[in-house]
Amino acid sequence: DGGITQSPKYLFRKEGQNVTLSCEQNLNHDAMYWYRQDPGQGLRLIYYSQIVNDFQKGDIAEGYSVSREKKESFPLTVTSAQKNPTAFYLCASSIELTAMNTEAFFGQGTRLTVV
Amino acid sequence: DAKTTQPNSMESNEEEPVHLPCNHSTISGTDYIHWYRQLPSQGPEYVIHGLTSNVNNRMASLAIAEDRKSSTLILHRATLRDAAVYYCILITNAGNMLTFGGGTRLMVKP
Repeated sequence: DGGITQSPKYLFRKEGQNVTLSCEQNLNHDAMYWYRQDPGQGLRLIYYSQIVNDFQKGDIAEGYSVSREKKESFPLTVTSAQKNPTAFYLCASSIELTAMNTEAFFGQGTRLTVV
Repeated sequence: DAKTTQPNSMESNEEEPVHLPCNHSTISGTDYIHWYRQLPSQGPEYVIHGLTSNVNNRMASLAIAEDRKSSTLILHRATLRDAAVYYCILITNAGNMLTFGGGTRLMVKP
């Protein structure tokens, strides 16, 4: 089955450590996105990528980094510079960044807790 | 940025129709109206989208006002599994970077 997979589902880290969240898709989509969701809030865009080897900052990119070395993969690193990293992280993909008439597919999310 | 306004919450009885409103008074002529829903502790899932005409699919119907400044997502028979947060989102020609507002939390009573 085609889809988008995030791992792990739950992640615990100590404060000051960097952590990388995985996102893989087998939908042959060019565009991929990372969102952050805090309790009771909507999703906020962290980074997005239109195509391999290209990515752009979203609304809340500070303290995060990404790479897009392969079409299928868009890992997100939460660095120690992120002041409030505990949140629910969601990855998504769509056929193209500018395809307005298509849907986005979301992973099941990674819940990161920093202690 | 094109914005949408939705009620914070709505309540429905099981097996009854639900009409979820969305206002988007600053919509431009080429913006698409998309709806997603998010069940608890899950990623959002696509529901339906449209441009000008009303749309139907197996999940729901989308009714778009003639002036396109508002739209309504219609669930024809609400079930307990439809309890979720529903997001109305405008997709502009700037790209598919979805901008999520607070959405409407739908509660379904048995």
